[in-house]
Amino acid sequence: KQEVTQIPAALSVPEGENLVLNCSFTDSAIYNLQWFRQDPGKGLTSLLLIQSSQREQTSGRLNASLDKSSGRSTLYIAASQPGDSATYLCAVLQGGSEKLVFGKGTKLTVNP
Amino acid sequence: DGGITQSPKYLFRKEGQNVTLSCEQNLNHDAMYWYRQDPGQGLRLIYYSQIVNDFQKGDIAEGYSVSREKKESFPLTVTSAQKNPTAFYLCASTNRDRRSEAFFGQGTRLTVV
Repeated sequence: KQEVTQIPAALSVPEGENLVLNCSFTDSAIYNLQWFRQDPGKGLTSLLLIQSSQREQTSGRLNASLDKSSGRSTLYIAASQPGDSATYLCAVLQGGSEKLVFGKGTKLTVNP
Repeated sequence: DGGITQSPKYLFRKEGQNVTLSCEQNLNHDAMYWYRQDPGQGLRLIYYSQIVNDFQKGDIAEGYSVSREKKESFPLTVTSAQKNPTAFYLCASTNRDRRSEAFFGQGTRLTVV
């Protein structure tokens, strides 16, 4: 059974700092990996999607990497801002079953 | 604008009642998913559907039922058999090409009163 783990569970940083969020998964048979952002009481917003054949994707201050063979992904946020405060979740689209399996998320607080 | 609409935003259920949560998408996506979110638990998969008239149980299907009669719609019924239904419910959709983003609705918060 696929399990997705995100470390750390919570992170607090001062504004302007660069930071890395981690995601690991136990079964490398995935089609893609996606990073989402969730604000309190809201739905999820897609940030970046990485196909299983890709190594990284970039969007603005965000960069996500994928190492499928080791079952790891990182989300790099450059020059963090208070508006980046949210919970960040990663999810893998599982090969075969096509389940979308989530980690529990990392709650990020960026302090002004 | 294309997207996923969940309704209602807030729902209150009495003990022993069945309630149905609506999820509609106009993205022409084949696959749709229902998740339950509890504090500290992350998103847990209830049911998912890859095509019309077909769906599969997720990890916590007991006490829930779904239907997929139309591509655009994937309603979730929370039955009286679900012992602890108070939670935030999220619906998602994606294409079956396995290369597309998943999109989410804004969620329904269900409370048992």
